[in-house]
Amino acid sequence: QSVLTQPPSASGTPGQKVTISCSGSSSNIGSNSVYWYQELPGTAPKLLIYGNNQRPSGVPDRFSGSKSGTSASLAISGLRSEDETNYYCSSWDDSLSALLFGGGTKLTVL
Amino acid sequence: QVQLVESGGGVVQPGRSLRLSCAASGFTFSSYGMHWVRQAPGKGLEWVAVIWYDGSKKYYGDSVKGRFTISRDNSKNTLDLQMNSLRAEDSAVYYCARDRRDYKGDFDYWGQGILVTVSS
Repeated sequence: QSVLTQPPSASGTPGQKVTISCSGSSSNIGSNSVYWYQELPGTAPKLLIYGNNQRPSGVPDRFSGSKSGTSASLAISGLRSEDETNYYCSSWDDSLSALLFGGGTKLTVL
Repeated sequence: QVQLVESGGGVVQPGRSLRLSCAASGFTFSSYGMHWVRQAPGKGLEWVAVIWYDGSKKYYGDSVKGRFTISRDNSKNTLDLQMNSLRAEDSAVYYCARDRRDYKGDFDYWGQGILVTVSS
């Protein structure tokens, strides 16, 4: 049911900016909010972005989200080694009446 | 403070059933939609099901539809997931999560997760 498409991998060097994309359709990203999560080992995913571009309190402003049409992006600036993990987008799909997650993007800090 | 605590996980044989529970505290449980989300070892996040704040509507992911049932007891502040006809591919850490707005996946709190292993 994963119809949100993310690149399987992304990489960057410390201090760089990387962008992770999430592509959907009119029934999901085109109609509903996008959320971004960071995978943390041994614990629940951490919410990075909600409502397309809003950061919860405590999330550094190095993380930013945007949405245009049926696609969304997560940008991470000032890349740090601790950012190396998996990132997931999600959005509700009105046609499927289901919450979709992207397949995840593994970020490597070189 | 808001707390979500899952229980009921463990090892179960294929084809058998298991019931997960999520005990909620620190907020007005009956005002929030609740979800189950799972993550298989080494795999990505997968949404399982959602139930509206009053239990009036429920939606399921394709892979569990017809086998899993989500329910809630607002008098006891508990969320349940009845899992029948379990398969090896249902093995995962299961999280309950609160939806801060309605039912569309705006999660603000998650439980710590509970491991379910389906194996003979």
